[in-house]
Amino acid sequence: DAGVIQSPRHEVTEMGQEVTLRCKPISGHNSLFWYRQTMMRGLELLIYFNNNVPIDDSGMPEDRFSAKMPNASFSTLKIQPSEPRDSAVYFCASIADRGSNTGELFFGEGSRLTVL
Amino acid sequence: QKEVEQNSGPLSVPEGAIASLNCTYSDRGSQSFFWYRQYSGKSPELIMSIYSNGDKEDGRFTAQLNKASQYVSLLIRDSQPSDSATYLCAVITNRDDKIIFGKGTRLHILP
Repeated sequence: DAGVIQSPRHEVTEMGQEVTLRCKPISGHNSLFWYRQTMMRGLELLIYFNNNVPIDDSGMPEDRFSAKMPNASFSTLKIQPSEPRDSAVYFCASIADRGSNTGELFFGEGSRLTVL
Repeated sequence: QKEVEQNSGPLSVPEGAIASLNCTYSDRGSQSFFWYRQYSGKSPELIMSIYSNGDKEDGRFTAQLNKASQYVSLLIRDSQPSDSATYLCAVITNRDDKIIFGKGTRLHILP
């Protein structure tokens, strides 16, 4: 069974450009999370969805960031315009049953973003 | 105060010894606690979960929880070089039901 699939794995872009990161959660998982990881700030929760509905986006740093989940098998995180301080590894993770509170997140391999 | 705090390390432990990793959390009503392991350049993976006060053992790993002190720990017995990684403590907050991670502790097992 395929795990969480993220693309692209690596992206290098210039400041001001639009960046779109993509995620396909594990089939049957009903919650999806976007995290950002940097050395300084660790793993930060940006936004999470439950049954395709955004539940909490308080971690989204600013209006330049937006996330969508149009269906159960696809989500995007968009940064427009991008800035050098957005450079980080962005992880998508899904969980089988949010209601069970097990907390076992299954992570994708991450998208490493570098903004020059 | 950060929601989940860990000593960033690095923590260096001789091979075969016990590694002890600690974590504190701020949301007193939290009920669910987790330890994830992250190898360099890889994604985090769950190694232990604990929900009740006391100890929970799984092979060489023991998780310990003290809700009164808001403290979670992970013990790794008979440490192996393959245990060298960053260990992330995670908590499901009672306040807003989010899965929040600490910044992680880098563990280095010395051969």
